[in-house]
Amino acid sequence: ILNVEQSPQSLHVQEGDSTNFTCSFPSSNFYALHWYRWETAKSPEALFVMTLNGDEKKKGRISATLNTKEGYSYLYIKGSQPEDSATYLCAFDSNYQLIWGAGTKLIIKP
Amino acid sequence: DAGVIQSPRHEVTEMGQEVTLRCKPISGHDYLFWYRQTMMRGLELLIYFNNNVPIDDSGMPEDRFSAKMPNASFSTLKIQPSEPRDSAVYFCASSRSLWEAFFGQGTRLTVV
Repeated sequence: ILNVEQSPQSLHVQEGDSTNFTCSFPSSNFYALHWYRWETAKSPEALFVMTLNGDEKKKGRISATLNTKEGYSYLYIKGSQPEDSATYLCAFDSNYQLIWGAGTKLIIKP
Repeated sequence: DAGVIQSPRHEVTEMGQEVTLRCKPISGHDYLFWYRQTMMRGLELLIYFNNNVPIDDSGMPEDRFSAKMPNASFSTLKIQPSEPRDSAVYFCASSRSLWEAFFGQGTRLTVV
């Protein structure tokens, strides 16, 4: 059974601090790894699509790394702001199907 | 728990036909979401339910789309009549709160 785990489930971070969280996924049949930012009951916003081992992508204060051999990706947020509060979802793409993690809920405390 | 169960996994249908996608949420989850994923538009929220009641259906593309949740363990998304531009992967997700999402494996719909 293919499984995607995200940790931690939730995270409280002080405004201005940096933080990171993890997505673990199967190390076989890898095609891509997707990161989404999801606010309550809205359409998830695509952050990154990562395909190559060792890939590192950046979008403003948010960046992500990928290790396909060991099956994990980290999402980093530098200098957290209140607007970063959201749930961050990752999805493992085997080119046949998407398998989703349950998300990391991030709350930024002012 | 088996997780969110969607059926069918794949559906190929002819334009004009009715299509019904099914979802069984995780037991005890009060929220159920329907999403559509396409290359062009990414992942879109179509509708979500809380305690079987539709809360926000503003993402439903048009009247050809309808969704129901007759009880806590079952929801359907129906397209009638279907069109080729409806081809997409449709995901159902359930959760205990609006801060998490447990996704099903999706239904890949192809309308020819």
